[in-house]
Amino acid sequence: QSALTQPASLSGSPGQSITISCTGTSSDVGSYNLVSWYQQHPGKAPKLMIYEVRKRPSGVSNRFSGSKSGNTASLTISGLQVEDEADYYCCSYAGSTTFRVFGGGTSLTVL
Amino acid sequence: EMQLLESGGGLVQPGGSLRLSCAASGFTFSSYDMSWVRQAPGKGLEWVSTISGSDNNTYYADSVKDRFTISRDSSKNTLFLQMNSLRAEDTAIYYCVKDGGFGSHFDYWGQGTRVTVSS
Repeated sequence: QSALTQPASLSGSPGQSITISCTGTSSDVGSYNLVSWYQQHPGKAPKLMIYEVRKRPSGVSNRFSGSKSGNTASLTISGLQVEDEADYYCCSYAGSTTFRVFGGGTSLTVL
Repeated sequence: EMQLLESGGGLVQPGGSLRLSCAASGFTFSSYDMSWVRQAPGKGLEWVSTISGSDNNTYYADSVKDRFTISRDSSKNTLFLQMNSLRAEDTAIYYCVKDGGFGSHFDYWGQGTRVTVSS
């Protein structure tokens, strides 16, 4: 069960927009619109930010948006804020055998 | 208010066993798939196992298959993870997680319980 590929780290300035990529294969990201994204602050449990590629749970800022093209999903954060500094993980359904696979995580720094 | 409270973590020797529990409240436990997700120290998230709410079908990551068993007691709103033949690489925080839909997403997370496998 290979992890999805994310950049290890990204940085941006307050007010800017950044995009985190999540590359899988035709067996996971490419085959299902079941990609989700999680935010994790140090020492805290992860929090769902985006599900089913582009849906936002109630209470999540509309600065967070998701998309997918082929085998790559993306999370875009617009109008970066200091509190957005965290680790971000993508996850995809991968069929009834492998079931779920996470990305390796991206550490976002807001300078 | 939705709540997931894990317990049962601790220090165990390699080859040993441990049983994690997760007490759920604030939602209709029997209606939802439930999962365990772990995070090794300084590492990323790893899906461990899922049990369906409708028919108790179970799913496991290759890394834990044949060693871990997920189960649930819907009469007590409790999720379990029986961990046998533990290895050093099983050392992690284990999160109890509510699924938002089959294979879809993890919409609510517990605070986690720490498991350390060491001699």
